[in-house]
Amino acid sequence: QSALTQPPSASGSPGQSVTISCTGTSGDVGGYHYVSWYQHHPGKAPKLIIYEITKRPSGVPDRFSGSKSGNTASLTVSGLQAEDEADYYCSSYAGSNNLGVFGGGTKLTVL
Amino acid sequence: EVQLVESGGGLVEPGRSLRLSCAASGFNFGDYAMHWVRQAPGKGLEWVSGISRYSGRIGYADSVKGRFTISRDNAKNSLYLQMNSLRAEDTALYYCAKDVYDSYAMDVWGQGTTVTVSS
Repeated sequence: QSALTQPPSASGSPGQSVTISCTGTSGDVGGYHYVSWYQHHPGKAPKLIIYEITKRPSGVPDRFSGSKSGNTASLTVSGLQAEDEADYYCSSYAGSNNLGVFGGGTKLTVL
Repeated sequence: EVQLVESGGGLVEPGRSLRLSCAASGFNFGDYAMHWVRQAPGKGLEWVSGISRYSGRIGYADSVKGRFTISRDNAKNSLYLQMNSLRAEDTALYYCAKDVYDSYAMDVWGQGTTVTVSS
């Protein structure tokens, strides 16, 4: 059970779009549609922003979108805003024994 | 209001045990899978363990397998994590989290309880 691979950092200017990748294997990301993304501001509880690859919970702006191709999932944040600056984590179902695995996290900086 | 409140954290010596609890309110607890997730100081999120609605499916991270046991009491709206043979690397903020609905995604999180393993 290895953590999913995310870039440690990403950045963009206000109004721009940024995409964060999340690479796993056929045993997790590539094998199931249970990929989720979380936004985590320091000192606060993580917030679910995408689940089942593309679904947004109620209240999450449509500026956040998810996709998947093969063993790699992606989160795109469009129209970057200052409050989007946070750590972002992907997560995936990883089979009946482990159930879940997170990525290492990506720190998004809004320039 | 949907709420999760963790308790039971603290300072414990290596090799000792600790039991975390999570009290749920504001939703039908028995209808949802639940998870424990931790974050070590300066590190990222790590999924620790998950349990299905009626405890029929349980999973653990390799790092805690054989040492931690997850359980739930739907009548008491409570989730538990029994942690044995604790190690320094188990030091972390432990979150209790509710599953969306068997989606292995967590839409409600508690504020966490801190576990420090040190002599």
